[in-house]
Amino acid sequence: DTGVSQDPRHKITKRGQNVTFRCDPISEHNRLYWYRQTLGQGPEFLTYFQNEAQLEKSRLLSDRFSAERPKGSFSTLEIQRTEQGDSAMYLCASSPFKGLNTGELFFGEGSRLTVL
Amino acid sequence: DAKTTQPNSMESNEEEPVHLPCNHSTISGTDYIHWYRQLPSQGPEYVIHGLTSNVNNRMASLAIAEDRKSSTLILHRATLRDAAVYYCILRDSSGGYQKVTFGTGTKLQVIP
Repeated sequence: DTGVSQDPRHKITKRGQNVTFRCDPISEHNRLYWYRQTLGQGPEFLTYFQNEAQLEKSRLLSDRFSAERPKGSFSTLEIQRTEQGDSAMYLCASSPFKGLNTGELFFGEGSRLTVL
Repeated sequence: DAKTTQPNSMESNEEEPVHLPCNHSTISGTDYIHWYRQLPSQGPEYVIHGLTSNVNNRMASLAIAEDRKSSTLILHRATLRDAAVYYCILRDSSGGYQKVTFGTGTKLQVIP
């Protein structure tokens, strides 16, 4: 198992374009999370999946953002009509379900988005 | 998740111990204390977690105050590779899922 994989690692796009990021979690991890991180800040929670169900979305996730996890395995995060304020590192994490809700989160290396 | 307070930055000399403090005065009885760190240009990685007793693993030790309102992450011999942002997080073990919330953490600088 090679850990959480994210693709692409870097994306430069022009304002108004759509971008999609993919996350492949550690196999058999049924929980998957997306975070966004800007320079000097900690990761901000965006959304959470348990298997294929999206169970929580942050208010940070505007209508231009959509995330899916169609078969409970990989996930995609799409940003439509990108804005310069969307420039950030997008982090994906996965974890196995543990009954005490304290399972370790395993993060990918992130996808860095630059909107020109 | 309950709120934690950490210093913005700390410095340590290489090969010396480092004590990274975290205050969590509103911690509840079911909150676990977790530490993650984030190396430059990487995603965060898990370091250690505990509930009441002090904990040790290959990366670090976690010392938890008796009243649980504060904790300290201890790196026994800092190396240059330990230069990172360290996040102290509380995770409620009761009930269903709760999101993991990161603060701004402590940026540790290790001086050669």
